Amino acid sequence: TQLLEQSPQFLSIQEGENLTVYCNSSSVFSSLQWYRQEPGEGPVLLVTVVTGGEVKKLKRLTFQFGDARKDSSLHITAAQPGDTGLYLCAVSFRLGNEKLTFGTGTRLTIIP
Amino acid sequence: ETGVTQTPRHLVMGMTNKKSLKCEQHLGHNAMYWYKQSAKKPLELMFVYSLEERVENNSVPSRFSPECPNSSHLFLHLHTLQPEDSALYLCASSQDWSIASQPQHFGDGTRLSIL
Repeated sequence: TQLLEQSPQFLSIQEGENLTVYCNSSSVFSSLQWYRQEPGEGPVLLVTVVTGGEVKKLKRLTFQFGDARKDSSLHITAAQPGDTGLYLCAVSFRLGNEKLTFGTGTRLTIIP
Repeated sequence: ETGVTQTPRHLVMGMTNKKSLKCEQHLGHNAMYWYKQSAKKPLELMFVYSLEERVENNSVPSRFSPECPNSSHLFLHLHTLQPEDSALYLCASSQDWSIASQPQHFGDGTRLSIL
């Protein structure tokens, strides 16, 4: 079974601080997605990355896909209370097996 | 509003009851999914349907029975569930199940509690 590890599991920081969360595996990904899930709701897609080394920005969020295609990070600048939620990474490990494997998530709390 | 609607939002049932979860998508997608989300565990894919045909069944116990009457509707029929089946059940849809890089659109889930 191919596992996807996310770290940290929990993170609580003050509004205005910066933070980075990680998604790692020992196996190569063909593609990776980041989702955010707020309490009482389903996950919502933030970004999809498919190219090793790719960097994408979404306002204050910066997503990076590792060169070796085995890891990814999500950096948030000047965190706001609206960023609170469960951040999930989801990957496809290889072409031809397009099922998504999800990580256990990072639960982020931004304190006003 | 994600375009995927799940009902009911909450369900409490005994182990001998029979109930059904419903999912409807208004996005014109061809693929629909059932996931189970338990505390401290990753989302677990249960079933995938593409154009009303089941294409993935992830070793799910037979007490869970999916049904996809058309590409917009998906059901999960529940019978003789166990306490460990208590979880959030999420439905999702995407344009094409064979392309994992496509976004999946999730409903808000049914919170199921087994007494």
